[in-house]
Amino acid sequence: NAGVTQTPKFRVLKTGQSMTLLCAQDMNHEYMYWYRQDPGMGLRLIHYSVGEGTTAKGEVPDGYNVSRLKKQNFLLGLESAAPSQTSVYFCASSSLSGGYNEQFFGPGTRLTVL
Amino acid sequence: AQSVTQLDSQVPVFEEAPVELRCNYSSSVSVYLFWYVQYPNQGLQLLLKYLSGSTLVKGINGFEAEFNKSQTSFHLRKPSVHISDTAEYFCAVSPAGTYKYIFGTGTRLKVLA
Repeated sequence: NAGVTQTPKFRVLKTGQSMTLLCAQDMNHEYMYWYRQDPGMGLRLIHYSVGEGTTAKGEVPDGYNVSRLKKQNFLLGLESAAPSQTSVYFCASSSLSGGYNEQFFGPGTRLTVL
Repeated sequence: AQSVTQLDSQVPVFEEAPVELRCNYSSSVSVYLFWYVQYPNQGLQLLLKYLSGSTLVKGINGFEAEFNKSQTSFHLRKPSVHISDTAEYFCAVSPAGTYKYIFGTGTRLKVLA
């Protein structure tokens, strides 16, 4: 099993450009999440999904959109990138089997917006 | 609402010395507790978790944590650290039966030779 994978690993954008980050999981998890990690701020939830076809806003959703057309994939889009979106982005997935939510993380995408 | 506090942003410690990384949380409902480790330029990896039962939980790489309900704490300990333990450590709570996950801001452990 590959677990949670993220594509790409690194990306440099110019202000105003758009891009999509892809997250894929092969554990048949219901829940998927997108976080951003910035120095001294821990992980902040951008958007999440509790099932195929459903998405919801997290703590810092502005400037991002998401889609979950297939259970195993969760896409994060930046329509018009801004320097404030320079960050490391992590995808995670989980299920509630056993009654608790243990999240599994991808390796991250390092995004720089110039 | 739930919150997680990791008061120490950085902890330097010499190799083979013991270390404790502190985590306090607040919640009005039952929660499950987790510690994750993030090595440089990598994703987060689960170290250990507390679900129920014994309050002393053992994890990977010789780490352990003790759940203290009265003090709402879940401190992480290791009796003797190695250079390879240099990483950032995150405490997290998840309210029972929910998708929610609340992370602390992390503690950067630096092990010195």
